[in-house]
Amino acid sequence: ETGVTQSPTHLIKTRGQQVTLRCSSQSGHNTVSWYQQALGQGPQFIFQYYREEENGRGNFPPRFSGLQFPNYSSELNVNALELDDSALYLCASSLGAGAGNTEAFFGQGTRLTVV
Amino acid sequence: QKEVEQNSGPLSVPEGAIASLNCTYSDRGSQSFFWYRQYSGKSPELIMSIYSNGDKEDGRFTAQLNKASQYVSLLIRDSQPSDSATYLCAVNPPYSSASKIIFGSGTRLSIRP
Repeated sequence: ETGVTQSPTHLIKTRGQQVTLRCSSQSGHNTVSWYQQALGQGPQFIFQYYREEENGRGNFPPRFSGLQFPNYSSELNVNALELDDSALYLCASSLGAGAGNTEAFFGQGTRLTVV
Repeated sequence: QKEVEQNSGPLSVPEGAIASLNCTYSDRGSQSFFWYRQYSGKSPELIMSIYSNGDKEDGRFTAQLNKASQYVSLLIRDSQPSDSATYLCAVNPPYSSASKIIFGSGTRLSIRP
């Protein structure tokens, strides 16, 4: 157990809908990163939040957005869902946002299916 | 060229033997390197991190880093059936502010009895 919890564990949405995924970071960790993992692929970095600010973003469109709260929990929002958004969404927490402080521990993930 | 490359496998190793997993990365300035294990349908689990050239041992696992060759490897000694999983190599590139991790696509390891 990493202490990182995600909800929900599974979700089915219709194309065009919006979805919100939630993550509670490990105690003491102030940085949350979100990843998308398609079947048979490694996780792809979406973005990172540090002290409630977005602190880096991967190659994902603006319809992927996020929030971090004062308790360091986080949300990932995806608007206008597309079929290709079907994936395992992973949240990882770590301490600090600079290089060398990136031992990241993952939650159990949210399996999103878009139909 | 992918930023982190791994052989997708599957790599089949007899029980009790040494499993050797390899990874290369493209950004020479990368500083932190990780191996994650992922069972089917589960999330990645950090098993090793390495930051300097050489070997790092933890139980049956040894990570090896060669920055000159941009090469990272993971050795699993006395392989057990429970080691059957996908192993993800991950690298922290030297970007300015974001400490994002770049993952390879993973190597599937199968330990046969």
